[in-house]
Amino acid sequence: EVQLVESGGGLVQPGGSLRLSCAASGFTFSSYEMNWVRQAPGRGLEWVSTISGSGGRTYYTDSLKGRFTISRDNSKNTLYLQMNSLRVEDTAVYYCVKRRNRDFDYWGQGTLVTVSS
Amino acid sequence: DIVMTQTPLSLSVTPGQPASISCKSSQSLLDSDGKTYLYWYLQKPGQSPQLLIYEVSNRFSGVPDRFSGSGSGTDFTLKISRVEAEDVGVYYCMQSIQVPLTFGGGTKVEIK
Repeated sequence: EVQLVESGGGLVQPGGSLRLSCAASGFTFSSYEMNWVRQAPGRGLEWVSTISGSGGRTYYTDSLKGRFTISRDNSKNTLYLQMNSLRVEDTAVYYCVKRRNRDFDYWGQGTLVTVSS
Repeated sequence: DIVMTQTPLSLSVTPGQPASISCKSSQSLLDSDGKTYLYWYLQKPGQSPQLLIYEVSNRFSGVPDRFSGSGSGTDFTLKISRVEAEDVGVYYCMQSIQVPLTFGGGTKVEIK
């Protein structure tokens, strides 16, 4: 059974940093692209970032480039999102998502990031 | 960026009746490999999104056959042949033909 368990969310002040983690199990982690998708309170879904299976290729939504960094440790079956210079508008539930071909077939339960003073 | 536009914003359906959601993309989602990269997700209340339909019309594992997808190019439709209480939630379309991957704004389905 595929499981994706996010952690690391919480309350942070504007300008602060946070690192999200996602522990994956139930599939060959290194064989799949992994993603972060976020959802602001009461809003729709927004793709954040994708990383290839090897970690050699990364993609970001333009508005986040330079502030967020996606990475993975295939030896630990873990995905990360380093978030710097956080803004109030980054407040959202962040989902760790497995990619199958071009779709998102499994989603974690999400971790809430709140940016507020 | 490809803009995904869903209509209607919300839908109130009597159980057992059909429902239909439209999704239009600002560019064609037909790739050079012949595949069309349009997907449908359902986010039930308090849950994470779940994949319903991939590549326009293919049901994901475990998805009931009352759900069907159709369309081509830039116009797509998700249909529920007979809505059940467990179908409530917000439905999203998504394109993955190009980065950034983009979602529609969502359609909230409620039961009358």
